[in-house]
Amino acid sequence: QQKVQQSPESLIVPEGGMASLNCTFSDRNSQYFWWYRQHSGEGPKALMSIFSNGDKKEGRFTAHLNKASLYVSLHIKDSQPSDSALYFCAGMPNYNVLYFGSGTKLTVEP
Amino acid sequence: EAAVTQSPRNKVAVTGGKVTLSCNQTNNHNNMYWYRQDTGHGLRLIHYSYGAGSTEKGDIPDGYKASRPSQENFSLILELATPSQTSVYFCASGAAGGRYAEQFFGPGTRLTVL
Repeated sequence: QQKVQQSPESLIVPEGGMASLNCTFSDRNSQYFWWYRQHSGEGPKALMSIFSNGDKKEGRFTAHLNKASLYVSLHIKDSQPSDSALYFCAGMPNYNVLYFGSGTKLTVEP
Repeated sequence: EAAVTQSPRNKVAVTGGKVTLSCNQTNNHNNMYWYRQDTGHGLRLIHYSYGAGSTEKGDIPDGYKASRPSQENFSLILELATPSQTSVYFCASGAAGGRYAEQFFGPGTRLTVL
């Protein structure tokens, strides 16, 4: 069974600040990774995917992947109150199944 | 955008009772999934399906059954509900795996077992 270590559990950043979230996966078969975001009262929604080593930038969001260490991170630049949500990393060791981390609760304070 | 709906949105059940949670997707995705979400545990996979007529066990299938009668519909059945099954349940659909395996989630069902 895939183990996913996600940190921190919760994070408070000021508006305009940088938020950094981290995950480490245990299954070396994992090839594809996602970040999901869940606003209160809603279902999770895919934020971005990363499949190759290095950085992938989409607007204020940058994902990083190191396949050798099975480490992924998400950095949110210029954080906004609307970014306040629960963030999950997810990895795919099985062609059709995703395993999710336990989540990071991000709060952006105005 | 992908559309996944769940019913009911809230459910209160009694211990020992039967509960059926329903999910419908209009994305024509082959794969469908049932998760439960509990604080500190993230999303845990209960059952999933590759298509009509198929069901597979996820990480925590004990106490749950699943049914996929059609491409669009996927149900989660609790034959004898217990208080430990109090949780928020999410259904998701997704295309074939690999890099195309983004999952689209429904709004969730909050289940309370008294």
